[in-house]
Parts: sequence; structure tokens; C-alpha cells
Amino acid sequence: GAGVSQTPSNKVTEKGKYVELRCDPISGHTALYWYRQSLGQGPEFLIYFQGTGAADDSGLPNDRFFAVRPEGSVSTLKIQRTERGDSAVYLCASSLSGSASYNEQFFGPGTRLTVL
Amino acid sequence: GQNIDQPTEMTATEGAIVQINCTYQTSGFNGLFWYQQHAGEAPTFLSYNVLDGLEEKGRFSSFLSRSKGYSYLLLKELQMKDSASYLCAVRPFRRANNLFFGTGTRLTVIP
Repeated sequence: GAGVSQTPSNKVTEKGKYVELRCDPISGHTALYWYRQSLGQGPEFLIYFQGTGAADDSGLPNDRFFAVRPEGSVSTLKIQRTERGDSAVYLCASSLSGSASYNEQFFGPGTRLTVL
Repeated sequence: GQNIDQPTEMTATEGAIVQINCTYQTSGFNGLFWYQQHAGEAPTFLSYNVLDGLEEKGRFSSFLSRSKGYSYLLLKELQMKDSASYLCAVRPFRRANNLFFGTGTRLTVIP
């Protein structure tokens, strides 16, 4: 694919439910990032993967949030026991490498999560 | 924590020049990025500064002063399609691989 893809584009769920959001990065990009963007705000960093491992998960708000990237390509962000405050657009980005000084990140279209 | 400030909204006239400022206070510094984001769409990369000075790219230029913790994005010959949010983001040295964003500046270009 030409760019970063995310599915689903929209997800509506009820408070307390479990959701999974998927990100398919640009082929060959080893670094993958998850951000969360609330209305009128800039993206907020959640977690960064270099290959299969989470190099920095300091942005995850609490233990209800978890992300995996088992084969170093596709990543899944998992949210347990969703709360209304989790409603936001979840953005995924990828870059060629996470360690280069020049590190343009390419963003996907996002998944809009609404928790009722 | 990381603190990145930008004006919330700006309005400018088609054909004019507009400057969007960004100030930052971060635990470290390993580059400053500007992204453009149209409503409902993903951010797209505009520019990157890591050394002091001006980087020019067509109608868009970005300036950085590390000693002042200050950057600006300059948009020339404004077009209606430039109406969007402009996000300033810093990559602190310690966490060199993620970005901290400001809230974004929503620019409206009027005829």
C-alpha cells in the first residue's frame, strides 16, 4: 500500500467494552507510533515500536491500554473496559527508522473511537 | 513535562503572508517539525528544523532559534486550500523517537 492504513475508520462502542484498533504501516518502515487526538488538540503520544518491541510506552494513560506488533509490521492497539473519556481519534504513524536524526513520520487517517 | 505553545486561531487573506509562531520548553531537543492537518484528515509533514536558521520549501518556510526555544512557519501567497490546522511538534532528545505536539493553530484563509 502507498500509505499507512488504519481500520476501522470509525468505531462506536459502549462503556465497559473491549476494542481493538489496527494499523498497517508503510512497507519497510521499522518504527511505528500510536497517538491519540482529542477535538481541538494536537496528537498525544501513546507508544512507539521499533521492530516488534515497544521501545517507549510511557504515553499509555493506564493499564487498560495495550499495544502489540508481533511480526514487526501490523500493530494492534487494545483498550479494555472502555470509558467515555477514551473517545478520540487514534492515529498511527510510521517512519523508516526510529533512531535516525531525521525522522519524518507518516500518519494514517486515524480511527475515530466513540464510547457511549 | 513538555510545553509547546502556539496561537489557537489565525485568519489571513488570500495572497497574503502569514507567520505562525511556536515556543517550546522541553526536557531536550532533537528537532522541530511542522505538520499540516485538514479537518478530519491525517497530519502531513511540512518541514523539519534541527539547526538554527531558515529552511525554505516553496511557499512554506520554517525558522528555528534553539536558544530562544522558538520557531515559526511562514506561508506565502496564501491560497484557500491552506485553510487547515498547523501543528508544531518537538522531538526531545531523551525520547528521540516520538513527537510532542502543540495544540495546533487553526488558520482560516479568507478571499
